[in-house]
Amino acid sequence: GAVVSQHPSRVICKSGTSVKIECRSLDFQATTMFWYRQFPKQSLMLMATSNEGSKATYEQGVEKDKFLINHASLTLSTLTVTSAHPEDSSFYICSARLAGGYYDTQYFGPGTRLTVL
Amino acid sequence: QQQVKQSPQSLIVQKGGIPIINCAYENTAFDYFPWYQQFPGKGPALLIAIRPDVSEKKEGRFTISFNKSAKQFSLHIMDSQPGDSATYFCAACVTGANNLFFGTGTRLTVIP
Repeated sequence: GAVVSQHPSRVICKSGTSVKIECRSLDFQATTMFWYRQFPKQSLMLMATSNEGSKATYEQGVEKDKFLINHASLTLSTLTVTSAHPEDSSFYICSARLAGGYYDTQYFGPGTRLTVL
Repeated sequence: QQQVKQSPQSLIVQKGGIPIINCAYENTAFDYFPWYQQFPGKGPALLIAIRPDVSEKKEGRFTISFNKSAKQFSLHIMDSQPGDSATYFCAACVTGANNLFFGTGTRLTVIP
């Protein structure tokens, strides 16, 4: 149980284009999902917290107009990187919170490798 | 400010050895401490977790030791295997709160 999927797993795009990444909780409902960014050999950096039916909460320094987040249902959140540039190239990972019980924690998706040329 | 401090940064052990990864925290409000395992190019996977009401938790070859007074917790991997080679992250949070604070990660290599 507690499986989170991400699509696509890998994307290469040209500078200036927009890229959408989907995050789905497959076997549970998640009122809260999270988006992280991870640079090589570094820890996860929280970008934003996404709550179903409301606006996302962005961490300090994360441009909300550049990283658009939509949490349209209890099982789907999307991250759109708008007008992507090479410095946006990174590994993006989503997670979904499974609340209640002993394991009230976040379950992570497999990640999306974004390369902007 | 790093809420959770993790060491060592990297660790190399022989197959069958017992690598130990240590984490420390300051915020006494933290009441949930999960460990994640991450393979290259993959997302972190929940490995094991502990709450402060116990001093040790074991699941298979993985054991968490928790010292509430010292505000430290550690992961022990018994009979380590090459397949355990991965990056391990400790984390801490307050139950009900959204933020999960990660350590900086430990890259473990188990030599055959």
